[in-house]
Amino acid sequence: EAQVTQNPRYLITVTGKKLTVTCSQNMNHEYMSWYRQDPGLGLRQIYYSMNVEVTDKGDVPEGYKVSRKEKRNFPLILESPSPNQTSLYFCASSLSGRVETQYFGPGTRLLVL
Amino acid sequence: SQKIEQNSEALNIQEGKTATLTCNYTNYSPAYLQWYRQDPGRGPVFLLLIRENEKEKRKERLKVTFDTTLKQSLFHITASQPADSATYLCALEGTGGYNKLIFGAGTRLAVHP
Repeated sequence: EAQVTQNPRYLITVTGKKLTVTCSQNMNHEYMSWYRQDPGLGLRQIYYSMNVEVTDKGDVPEGYKVSRKEKRNFPLILESPSPNQTSLYFCASSLSGRVETQYFGPGTRLLVL
Repeated sequence: SQKIEQNSEALNIQEGKTATLTCNYTNYSPAYLQWYRQDPGRGPVFLLLIRENEKEKRKERLKVTFDTTLKQSLFHITASQPADSATYLCALEGTGGYNKLIFGAGTRLAVHP
């Protein structure tokens, strides 16, 4: 089944404790992206990747890191989480870029205390 | 600055009626626009993409229009059903980066039997 998977689905952590949210897709997509969703603000893009070893900032990259060492995986790293990073995070992929259907993962709900 | 506006108030309609959702944007000249459906606690699911040179696009009971003069897209669901109840998001390419996708905050639709 074609899908985007994220782990963990739910995470409670404390300020400053590094964490990684994994994202994997099995559709051989070149383009992958991370979003955060907050009430009233909609989905905001954090980072995106056009292909292996090619990443770029979205609209809200501060406090986040990403890497794309393999085509199927695109982990999101929070080096020192803060409470304002409490949010619902979605990973998405598409075949080649913007003018394509974006396939979203199920989401990761993060609470930073 | 770039702005996408979707009605933040929920739209309540009776089953069988046509639901019409609006997406307005400013300071954009997007080449295309996408609509997604999002159910509570789940990732968005792609519905339709319409390009700037297309006035209208249909898929089963769904119809999308794109008026680049008015800077507006309308999303219609005909013969609505309770199963259509969800939040609907519009998305446009962001300026300053070919692969940035900017989402509206979404409009919640509730279809009552």
